Amino acid sequence: GQQVMQIPQYQHVQEGEDFTTYCNSSTTLSNIQWYKQRPGGHPVFLIQLVKSGEVKKQKRLTFQFGEAKKNSSLHITATQTTDVGTYFCAGGAGRRALTFGSGTRLQVQP
Amino acid sequence: DVKVTQSSRYLVKRTGEKVFLECVQDMDHENMFWYRQDPGLGLRLIYFSYDVKMKEKGDIPEGYSVSREKKERFSLILESASTNQTSMYLCASSLRNRGLPTDTQYFGPGTRLTVL
Repeated sequence: GQQVMQIPQYQHVQEGEDFTTYCNSSTTLSNIQWYKQRPGGHPVFLIQLVKSGEVKKQKRLTFQFGEAKKNSSLHITATQTTDVGTYFCAGGAGRRALTFGSGTRLQVQP
Repeated sequence: DVKVTQSSRYLVKRTGEKVFLECVQDMDHENMFWYRQDPGLGLRLIYFSYDVKMKEKGDIPEGYSVSREKKERFSLILESASTNQTSMYLCASSLRNRGLPTDTQYFGPGTRLTVL
């Protein structure tokens, strides 16, 4: 079945440093979504990418979808303590429900 | 605003008990999902439903069943709870996008289930 791998599992950064999490699918995706889960909270939708090579920005967050539509990344510039949480990618393909990656937990040291 | 509610935030049950987890959404979404979340494993899909009385198995359906009698309500049933079902259970809903269950998902607050 479809698998979505996400790395790293955990990242600890100093406030102001950049952060990147990577997502790789075993199959070609139709779309990829990113979610953020704050500690003690539930996942909240951030963005969806559908086009090959697509890049979208939300303030300090940059999302990319690979040319082959099998990988994606989320980059945060100059992290802040409010960025703390777990970031999940989720890939869609065909008629299957989304497959979530295992998540990257981000800790930001003030 | 989409609202997805789950019947309990915390639940403690004994091995062998039958457990019902309820999820209700108020946005007339066609799709509803049940996930379990465990450290290091992310969100794993148990079952989803794309219409009333319709269900499809996810990646880890063993030991679980579901019921969708009304569009807004999706129940997860543990027929005979076991300790390895101790986990956080998350419900989600989404619109049916061109017939595919891949639209934005809205999650409930989760139920932390402990099976003793």
